[in-house]
Amino acid sequence: DAKTTQPNSMESNEEEPVHLPCNHSTISGTDYIHWYRQLPSQGPEYVIHGLTSNVNNRMASLAIAEDRKSSTLILHRATLRDAAVYYCILSAGNNRKLIWGLGTSLAVNP
Amino acid sequence: NAGVMQNPRHLVRRRGQEARLRCSPMKGHSHVYWYRQLPEEGLKFMVYLQKENIIDESGMPKERFSAEFPKEGPSILRIQQVVRGDSAAYFCASSLRGHSSYEQYFGPGTRLTVT
Repeated sequence: DAKTTQPNSMESNEEEPVHLPCNHSTISGTDYIHWYRQLPSQGPEYVIHGLTSNVNNRMASLAIAEDRKSSTLILHRATLRDAAVYYCILSAGNNRKLIWGLGTSLAVNP
Repeated sequence: NAGVMQNPRHLVRRRGQEARLRCSPMKGHSHVYWYRQLPEEGLKFMVYLQKENIIDESGMPKERFSAEFPKEGPSILRIQQVVRGDSAAYFCASSLRGHSSYEQYFGPGTRLTVT
């Protein structure tokens, strides 16, 4: 299973954009890039996923490098409710299972 | 549309007892995944089931752990003769299709404490 590398922690101010990086240099052609987040004492929550093209949804944007060896999750205006651990995960085709790292713990300052 | 439901939310068992964790997937979802999370760690995949079938149990300990997803009713994760090391949060997730292009929706988890 291909691995991802994320910073342990990041900090942001409320209402400012946040860019959460993820390196996945061993990604294969069939790997999807998934982002989930987990608020304290809750189950993980799906954020966004993509394969090659950049993706946008109501929660965030996902920018994927042209060589796909890295990606960035963008929260356009951070709120206090966005404070969570953000996980970048690769999942290939019919592999289905998600392999989780330690993620990035995001703190949002008021 | 109810989300993924898990019960109980908290479960306390003495060493040697059995723990039964239940998961009801989202309506229309027939793919269920179980994960375990130890404190301060990421989730660890345990098992992936489709209705009446175990598809991938590569993350399940070989002994004491079993999972099922019957034709009717919730998915069950069973831990026999629990030990203190089984104390963890257990999450289940469901998806519409069994392909990594589909997102997984997670339940609130069951926090198992073994005394």
